[in-house]
This record gives sequence, C-alpha cells and structure tokens, in this order.
Amino acid sequence: DTEVTQTPKHLVMGMTNKKSLKCEQHMGHRAMYWYKQKAKKPPELMFVYSYEKLSINESVPSRFSPECPNSSLLNLHLHALQPEDSALYLCASSLGRGYEKLFFGSGTQLSVL
Amino acid sequence: DQQVKQNSPSLSVQEGRISILNCDYTNSMFDYFLWYKKYPAEGPTFLISISSIKDKNEDGRFTVFLNKSAKHLSLHIVPSQPGDSAVYFCAALAQKLVFGQGTRLTINP
Repeated sequence: DTEVTQTPKHLVMGMTNKKSLKCEQHMGHRAMYWYKQKAKKPPELMFVYSYEKLSINESVPSRFSPECPNSSLLNLHLHALQPEDSALYLCASSLGRGYEKLFFGSGTQLSVL
Repeated sequence: DQQVKQNSPSLSVQEGRISILNCDYTNSMFDYFLWYKKYPAEGPTFLISISSIKDKNEDGRFTVFLNKSAKHLSLHIVPSQPGDSAVYFCAALAQKLVFGQGTRLTINP
C-alpha cells in the first residue's frame, strides 16, 4: 500500500462552520505533513508531525488546528475560516523527517464562502 | 523570497522530442533536490531526485542534472510522450522541502 488517502475530496464551508480534513497512510511512515496550495502556486508547508509530535508549524493561523491521533492518521481541524483560505489542502508522508521522498495524497479542495 | 525558481511557467514540446525543464535555487544549504509531477485534481507524484554530491541521476526516460556552482538543475525527458503532459515542480530540501512555482509541460502529438 503506497497510498496517502485524504477525505473529503471536496469541501464547501461557511465562515462560521467547523470541519475537519482527514489523512491516512499505512506505509509505516513516521512523518506526516500538511501543505496548502493555491491555484497556479507551489505547495506551501503548513505543519510537520514527526513520530506523532508537532515539529514544525509554519506560523499558521490558529483557525487551523492539526492533530495526529496515531502514526497512521493526520487531521486538520478548521474553524472560522476566511474566504482567502480556499485552496487545495494536501497531506503527505515520508519515512521520517529529513527523508526527502514525500508521498502526497490527492488533496481536499476547500471552498470557504 | 523565492528560494527555488522555475522561470518558465509553461513549455510545449512535440511528441518524441526532448523536454528540458529548468530550476534555479538560491540557498546553498539545500542538499537534496527532487522533481514532482502533478496532474489536475491529484497530489504531486515523486518523479526523480538527486543528491548534492552528484551531478546526474538517470531513471529511464528521465534524467536530472545538477550544476552546484550555478545553483541550477534541469530535468530532461526523452523521448517525450503525451502522458508526460502535467505540471512539474522542482523542490529542494534543507530543513524542509521548498517547491518552485511549477512548469506546465504540454506534449503535442
């Protein structure tokens, strides 16, 4: 199994809603990542978890709250988002931090109304 | 500050010919470089990588060249096939992976 699975694929939410994005991998990878990608832009790193501990937070606003319940799962909790937060949210995993080969999921296309 | 730059937003190549995608970087601390390929509505897929101690890495139709003195790398695809049409991202690793802006490659039959 070499897949990173993200759900949902599409999400539309209002600015007062609370929603969660989910990511799962069963490759035994110990590092998991959240990236944000706007149209025609490169992916931008948001968070890195290494061995289930948050190791990098790229100064992301607190309306985004990551969670790593176990080594296979990564969540991103969303609350009070702004329309400019609309983007493709990509989850990725790697064998460990510093391992360069990231496996990406297909992403969740988020629209904030 | 764009540490990894892909100056060509798009590239069009005839099927069977060579595609050359370029990438420049500014941070001398980068020690590993990767190319990712992205189709619409999918996440990026790892294509090929190169360590800073090498100047060339080849995998089938794909070859990556690294010129450390010029802080430049390139991806060669030969022969180009219609299925190669996608957005290609160059990425560089120091403490974290930094992506370039991407180049949209179109292979024309």
